[in-house]
Amino acid sequence: DAKTTQPPSMDCAEGRAANLPCNHSTISGNEYVYWYRQIHSQGPQYIIHGLKNNETNEMASLIITEDRKSSTLILPHATLRDTAVYYCIVRVANGGGGADGLTFGKGTHLIIQP
Amino acid sequence: NAGVTQTPKFQVLKTGQSMTLQCAQDMNHEYMSWYRQDPGMGLRLIHYSVGAGITDQGEVPNGYNVSRSTTEDFPLRLLSAAPSQTSVYFCASSVGTGGFEQYFGPGTRLTVT
Repeated sequence: DAKTTQPPSMDCAEGRAANLPCNHSTISGNEYVYWYRQIHSQGPQYIIHGLKNNETNEMASLIITEDRKSSTLILPHATLRDTAVYYCIVRVANGGGGADGLTFGKGTHLIIQP
Repeated sequence: NAGVTQTPKFQVLKTGQSMTLQCAQDMNHEYMSWYRQDPGMGLRLIHYSVGAGITDQGEVPNGYNVSRSTTEDFPLRLLSAAPSQTSVYFCASSVGTGGFEQYFGPGTRLTVT
């Protein structure tokens, strides 16, 4: 699976859009970009995923650059409850042999300020 | 649906003791897995299963056993607990063989003294 690079922490004012970057310059053509988040002391929560087109759901938007080497997760109107560690993960859709799972790095600790 | 449930929520063991962490899901998911999370770290895969009767090792399997006799349950057994196994353990499930959206349980906080 491709390696990802995320800033260790970010701040965002409540009500503003939170833009979380992720670099995945070695991504392969069949690898998807996933985003999960983990609110303190809870299990991770799936947010969104994409292959090459931009994606939007009720939680967030995912913008993937044309060369697919980086992406941005956008929380359009951040609230205090969005304070969490956000993980950007790159992997093939259904494993691909070997240890089939999600590789979680250290993520970005997003702090929403009141 | 209850989703993914884990018991117990907290556990303290002495070195050398054994115990089983329980995980159950009611979504009829084929794929289930166990992760551990150490302080300040991301999650690491311990074992996984792509269906009843099928299990395989993840990144950090040593000291742990699993079995999958039903679709719903995927217990994790610590054979002889060691302080290095102090961690938070998460169980997850998803459709297929580990698809896009994985559902995580609330975790079990284990301390080995």
